[in-house]
Amino acid sequence: GNSVTQMEGPVTLSEEAFLTINCTYTATGYPSLFWYVQYPGEGLQLLLKATKADDKGSNKGFEATYRKETTSFHLEKGSVQVSDSAVYFCALHINTGTASKLTFGTGTRLQVTL
Amino acid sequence: GAGVSQSPSNKVTEKGKDVELRCDPISGHTALYWYRQSLGQGLEFLIYFQGNSAPDKSGLPSDRFSAERTGGSVSTLTIQRTQQEDSAVYLCASSLAEWAGELFFGEGSRLTVL
Repeated sequence: GNSVTQMEGPVTLSEEAFLTINCTYTATGYPSLFWYVQYPGEGLQLLLKATKADDKGSNKGFEATYRKETTSFHLEKGSVQVSDSAVYFCALHINTGTASKLTFGTGTRLQVTL
Repeated sequence: GAGVSQSPSNKVTEKGKDVELRCDPISGHTALYWYRQSLGQGLEFLIYFQGNSAPDKSGLPSDRFSAERTGGSVSTLTIQRTQQEDSAVYLCASSLAEWAGELFFGEGSRLTVL
């Protein structure tokens, strides 16, 4: 079946540090890949996405590149801010015609300190 | 409404009682999803609606769980004879079409079964 594996958190960084959150996937077929973010007290929201191999999704300074050869979609940011503290979820979607759902990883909590 | 609305935001119940959780999706969104978020378990898919029908209910964990959607809008998730392992945050999400590449999530209903 389809699955997503994320690095376990929490990840604690100082402000302006470089961030990487690893995500790998297993899927039959060619999935689209997503990062969702859940800020404290808010619902999940889409951060970025990539729909085919070698695509790079980017938003708010975050980037992730769809790597088919390594089945990965690692999230990166060059300089994190305290406001980036949140839980980050990697997810995949494959349209099978009858089923249409996102499969999520377990989430990685990021804590950024001054 | 402006976003996906869920109620109640918090529910504490005794083991064996029935509970109903409500989701009001974004107006005009035809697809609606229920997920469950348990500590350390990530987001677990429960059921997907397209309009009033549920083409994928494969994630419902037992026959104690059921969901319906009426008028292509509001959905209710019902858990009968609640158990302690049902304690979790239940998330609802909607999407403009069957697969529009992005889900919009509510803030969730936190269920605690004593």
